[in-house]
Amino acid sequence: DVKVTQSSRYLVKRTGEKVFLECVQDMDHENMFWYRQDPGLGLRLIYFSYDVKMKEKGDIPEGYSVSREKKERFSLILESASTNQTSMYLCASTGTNYGYTFGSGTRLTVV
Amino acid sequence: SQQGEEDPQALSIQEGENATMNCSYKTSINNLQWYRQNSGRGLVHLILIRSNEREKHSGRLRVTLDTSKKSSSLLITASRAADTASYFCATDRATDSWGKLQFGAGTQVVVTP
Repeated sequence: DVKVTQSSRYLVKRTGEKVFLECVQDMDHENMFWYRQDPGLGLRLIYFSYDVKMKEKGDIPEGYSVSREKKERFSLILESASTNQTSMYLCASTGTNYGYTFGSGTRLTVV
Repeated sequence: SQQGEEDPQALSIQEGENATMNCSYKTSINNLQWYRQNSGRGLVHLILIRSNEREKHSGRLRVTLDTSKKSSSLLITASRAADTASYFCATDRATDSWGKLQFGAGTQVVVTP
């Protein structure tokens, strides 16, 4: 069964901490995405990647960075966590059939 | 701003009834997709309809697309309690990089036994 795995379901971090959210897919997909989901706002694209070592900004990249050293792994980094980054973070990947496969999400709370 | 906007925001129906939700979007698209999300989990891909298609079926799901009105609808027939979830439309805009989707805020559907 193909899947996208996010390393943590729940995280609590302190303001100012550097936070790493990990995402791994086993489908050999080139394309990977990070979204955040907030009530009433739907999903908003943070960053995406079409290939190893390649990254492109989405709609809300401020305060975030990403890393894609291997095809199967796409990491989201919060350089200095702030309370307004408390959110549900969703990783997704897609191949040639266009539909996304999502991970289960990481609910991050910054205190 | 959101490309896809679902209507209604919330829908409550009885088991066995049909559920219909709509999605409107603003710019030309390559395709439109529908996803389901159960209670704070990840989204699950339901169906994709391309811009040159008008209707698609998958099991109890029926999706229509009207590009002249920039709108789509998702119909779930003979609903079950297990269909309780949030449903999102997502558009692959013609002006965007391939595969980059814009999601709406979703329709929350509750199916009561």
